Amino acid sequence: SQQGEEDPQALSIQEGENATMNCSYKTSINNLQWYRQNSGRGLVHLILIRSNEREKHSGRLRVTLDTSKKSSSLLITASRAADTASYFCATDFNQAGTALIFGKGTTLSVSS
Amino acid sequence: DGGITQSPKYLFRKEGQNVTLSCEQNLNHDAMYWYRQDPGQGLRLIYYSQIVNDFQKGDIAEGYSVSREKKESFPLTVTSAQKNPTAFYLCASSSGPRGVYTFGSGTRLTVV
Repeated sequence: SQQGEEDPQALSIQEGENATMNCSYKTSINNLQWYRQNSGRGLVHLILIRSNEREKHSGRLRVTLDTSKKSSSLLITASRAADTASYFCATDFNQAGTALIFGKGTTLSVSS
Repeated sequence: DGGITQSPKYLFRKEGQNVTLSCEQNLNHDAMYWYRQDPGQGLRLIYYSQIVNDFQKGDIAEGYSVSREKKESFPLTVTSAQKNPTAFYLCASSSGPRGVYTFGSGTRLTVV
C-alpha cells in the first residue's frame, strides 16, 4: 500500500536555483517525514513535521504541510551539486499504524 | 558511534537457495523494520518488529522470514519461495513506530 506520492518523479536544476518537491497522501496522519537517499545508499532523515504544524525549517530546507489538502512540500533553497539525491516523504500510518509508509520519491539532479 | 549495520553489502543467490541478510543496531531502539526497494517502486515494507520476540508481516512478506531474538538484531531470510528476490534491501530502526527512522546502508541481492 503506497500512502505518499511525490511529484515530480524527476527534477533537474542548476546550482543556486530552488528545488520544490511535493507529496500527497491519502489518510489522516500524525506526522510526515522527509528523507534523502544518495545513490546506492541508505536513507537519511531530513525533517519531521507534525499534523498540527504548518511549516518547519532546517537550514536550507523548508517543509510545509496542508492537512486539508493532504499534501506537503519540501523546498531546498540555493541548491548545490551535493543536493543531488532522491527525496522521499513518509507518513506514519500503515494499515496497522505501526510503520512508516514511503512514497516513490523524487530524483533531484543539480548541475554545476 | 551509535548506528545500524547491514551485511553483506552485496549478496548473490543461486536459484532455490535461502540467504540471510544481517541487521544489527546499537541505538537501543525497540522497533526494527525491513524494506525492499526496486527501481521506480520506492520502499515497500516486508516485516517489522516493535519488540523482542514479536514481529508482524508488512505488505510484501511472502517468501521472506525474520526473527527477533535480541533487541539489537533483526535478520531477514530470503527463501526460495521468493520468486523475484533481486532488489536493494534496507533495514531501519526507531524508538517507536512514528519516530525518526535510522537506516542501514543496504544490501544489494542479486539472483545468479
